[in-house]
Amino acid sequence: EPEVTQTPSHQVTQMGQEVILRCVPISNHLYFYWYRQILGQKVEFLVSFYNNEISEKSEIFDDQFSVERPDGSNFTLKIRSTKLEDSAMYFCASTSGNTIYFGEGSWLTVV
Amino acid sequence: AQSVTQPDIHITVSEGASLELRCNYSYGATPYLFWYVQSPGQGLQLLLKYFSGDTLVQGIKGFEAEFKRSQSSFNLRKPSVHWSDAAEYFCAVGRPNFGNEKLTFGTGTRLTIIP
Repeated sequence: EPEVTQTPSHQVTQMGQEVILRCVPISNHLYFYWYRQILGQKVEFLVSFYNNEISEKSEIFDDQFSVERPDGSNFTLKIRSTKLEDSAMYFCASTSGNTIYFGEGSWLTVV
Repeated sequence: AQSVTQPDIHITVSEGASLELRCNYSYGATPYLFWYVQSPGQGLQLLLKYFSGDTLVQGIKGFEAEFKRSQSSFNLRKPSVHWSDAAEYFCAVGRPNFGNEKLTFGTGTRLTIIP
């Protein structure tokens, strides 16, 4: 069964460093998302992406965040200057219609 | 604004017992409803979904859920739980095929299974 894949599975970074989280959505999907889950809290929407541009973003997705689809398969989330409160599990997701499929997540720990 | 409420933060059941996890939603139109499961340190796996039609939907791992419009609920059930069902369960609402709409998740219910 096709799946969304994410790398890395876990990254530890120092505060202020740039981080890029990578995702390969399911190949025939057109809509892509990033969600975040701070430890012990609920899953929160960050951003959606369609037709090579952001469709919607949440309040969390400030100027420190950016997304890109650099080629036909990858979808990346960049955090320009990480803060301690960016520590979370980041989920990539994709859909071609009515069901959103999630990846396994990337744990980001900012120290 | 859409929202999801999962009133039970933590539920403990004995292996072999029946299970019901509650979910209430608020949504401005006919919702699409989902249940996802997250095992410790793992990603979100889709258990089942409701779009329209039969209000009782079957999912993977023996789970089912019933959509009750009058109660704005979409409770998840399983007749007999297994130790491997211990996980966090999230209810979500949204219509992803409508203008690229996002999902809104509940706070989750953590399920513990005791022997």
